[in-house]
Amino acid sequence: DQQVKQNSPSLSVQEGRISILNCDYTNSMFDYFLWYKKYPAEGPTFLISISSIKDKNEDGRFTVFLNKSAKHLSLHIVPSQPGDSAVYFCAARYSGNTPLVFGKGTRLSVIA
Amino acid sequence: DAGVIQSPRHEVTEMGQEVTLRCKPISGHDYLFWYRQTMMRGLELLIYFNNNVPIDDSGMPEDRFSAKMPNASFSTLKIQPSEPRDSAVYFCASSPGNIRTEAFFGQGTRLTVV
Repeated sequence: DQQVKQNSPSLSVQEGRISILNCDYTNSMFDYFLWYKKYPAEGPTFLISISSIKDKNEDGRFTVFLNKSAKHLSLHIVPSQPGDSAVYFCAARYSGNTPLVFGKGTRLSVIA
Repeated sequence: DAGVIQSPRHEVTEMGQEVTLRCKPISGHDYLFWYRQTMMRGLELLIYFNNNVPIDDSGMPEDRFSAKMPNASFSTLKIQPSEPRDSAVYFCASSPGNIRTEAFFGQGTRLTVV
């Protein structure tokens, strides 16, 4: 029973265009959401996060949007670069220092 | 800080053998997590510790799996006996005791059981 769902296993985007990665969650108790990026043979690294009291958080080329009513969040990368090619994991947690619950990941390929 | 350190990076073992994975968390971090990554299930939590005490091991798949944290700077995940379906990448992560901080992951151990 996946509480965090990333329904697109892969995504291919041209360099310079926008990449949009989507994530849905089922548990309304989640109040903090994160995106991690993972290169082959490396561990996931933190990319960006958003609290449930916000609907948008921006950091350079990366923006995360949260729609609480739809239990949906998305990561926008603009403009996409070949170095962004990686697996992106959506994660969520409850209040307090509880473990992160991860989705299965989406493999992004940015084509030059 | 060197980050979370895991060893070995790769492990190939025969079915039935004991396997021990090791982790050194970031100094000062109160929480340590063991995750397993597979194609089918993605990143799933196996067990986590707070101040060296196991808090939740409900993600440990079977009694063949066990984890210990004898001190703040070392943890092990043991599989005995190992089976081919245990083949996966195992990650250790740690985080400070603050709310809203992200977890920091090691580079993982790729386990292959033949």
